[in-house]
Amino acid sequence: AQTVTQSQPEMSVQEAETVTLSCTYDTSENNYYLFWYKQPPSRQMILVIRQEAYKQQNATENRFSVNFQKAAKSFSLKISDSQLGDTAMYFCAFMKHDTTGTASKLTFGTGTRLQVTL
Amino acid sequence: DTGVSQDPRHKITKRGQNVTFRCDPISEHNRLYWYRQTLGQGPEFLTYFQNEAQLEKSRLLSDRFSAERPKGSFSTLEIQRTEQGDSAMYLCASSPLGAPRPLHFGNGTRLTVT
Repeated sequence: AQTVTQSQPEMSVQEAETVTLSCTYDTSENNYYLFWYKQPPSRQMILVIRQEAYKQQNATENRFSVNFQKAAKSFSLKISDSQLGDTAMYFCAFMKHDTTGTASKLTFGTGTRLQVTL
Repeated sequence: DTGVSQDPRHKITKRGQNVTFRCDPISEHNRLYWYRQTLGQGPEFLTYFQNEAQLEKSRLLSDRFSAERPKGSFSTLEIQRTEQGDSAMYLCASSPLGAPRPLHFGNGTRLTVT
């Protein structure tokens, strides 16, 4: 079974600053995918960024980037130029590459509550 | 793309009553997932469907829980004889086939059992 650990329950960052959210995971799988989801107070989960384990290059999406360390089973999210709208719960999630070559279920961490302040 | 729709948004029920939630996935999304999220926790997987077939069920899904997706479109999640521990947000998500396809989540149904 896979587990995902987010060791920072809460974090705070000032507007325009950079913040890094940590995530570690445990798996015996070699082929898998990692995701960061954002859940604003409205409660709808929104995909932020994803990373395929077979890719060495770290994924980036505008102000969001990841530091993927496969050997260390670490997958941190960096948010640059933080904005008030980034205030939300952030969940790290793991998805294994199943035998049919299609997506399977997501396993989530417990989340990090990020507060962006003025 | 109208998004994943869940109904109702909120449900308050008394212990012992049955409740049913509905999820309408994004059209043409073959996979549909149910998750449960309690306050301050990440979503926990309950079950998922590929078209009308239920492919996996979590051990969290006790005998009081049943999910269906009869025509491979919308899905229902029923909880029988509700308990206070069932109080949670129930999230539905859908995705197309192929890997990896990120899940698209609905707004959830918040269940309160009194």
